[in-house]
Amino acid sequence: KAGVTQTPRYLIKTRGQQVTLSCSPISGHRSVSWYQQTPGQGLQFLFEYFSETQRNKGNFPGRFSGRQFSNSRSEMNVSTLELGDSALYLCASGQGKTTEAFFGQGTRLTVV
Amino acid sequence: AQTVTQSQPEMSVQEAETVTLSCTYDTSESDYYLFWYKQPPSRQMILVIRQEAYKQQNATENRFSVNFQKAAKSFSLKISDSQLGDAAMYFCAYRNNNNDMRFGAGTRLTVKP
Repeated sequence: KAGVTQTPRYLIKTRGQQVTLSCSPISGHRSVSWYQQTPGQGLQFLFEYFSETQRNKGNFPGRFSGRQFSNSRSEMNVSTLELGDSALYLCASGQGKTTEAFFGQGTRLTVV
Repeated sequence: AQTVTQSQPEMSVQEAETVTLSCTYDTSESDYYLFWYKQPPSRQMILVIRQEAYKQQNATENRFSVNFQKAAKSFSLKISDSQLGDAAMYFCAYRNNNNDMRFGAGTRLTVKP
C-alpha cells in the first residue's frame, strides 16, 4: 500500500503570495489532518477533514484553509503569506475517528 | 483544553542500554488514545506505539513499551536495547474521540555508540 503522499516537498514563496499544498492519503483512508511544525511552536493542529467535511479546526487565522475531494485527497491553502508561515506542513491520514494517524513526509515551505 | 507535556527536551542513551522518555497530559475526558511518534531527520513521522485509555495493560511493541498511569495522566516510553537507528525526535500525542490530536514539544534522543 502506498503511504501518504505530499506535494511538493519543498516550496519557496514571497510574502503576500498564496500557496496550495496537496496531500494524497493512504487508499481507503477518509480522514486527513494537517499540521504545522516550527522550531518555536512545535507541532500544531490546523484542521481535519472527513468525507469532504471539515470536522475539526485548530487555532489558526482564516488565511489558512483547506478542502477535501471525493477521492479523499486534500489541499491546504495559505493566502497572503507571512514570514512566520515558514514551516514544515505535515499531512496525516486515518481510517476513522480514533485510529492512529499516518503521516506524509511533509512540505517544507519557506517564505522570503 | 487538552495539553501534552514532554519535560525532557533532550535525552541521551548508550547503545544497547535502556532509556525512558516522559510524557504527561491534561484532560477531563475518560476515553482517549495516546501515541508515541518518532521523527528521524528524514522528517517522516512514524508511529512507534499506541495505547487506548480504557485498556489497563501497557502496550508493547518489540523493544518499545509504555508505562501508562491513567490516574497520574502519565504515559512514558521505554526503549530497551537502544540502537543507533532509534536516534530521532520523539513526540507524545493525545487524541480524543472528536479526533482532536495534540502533540508534546518533543524529546530529541541521541544514541551513543
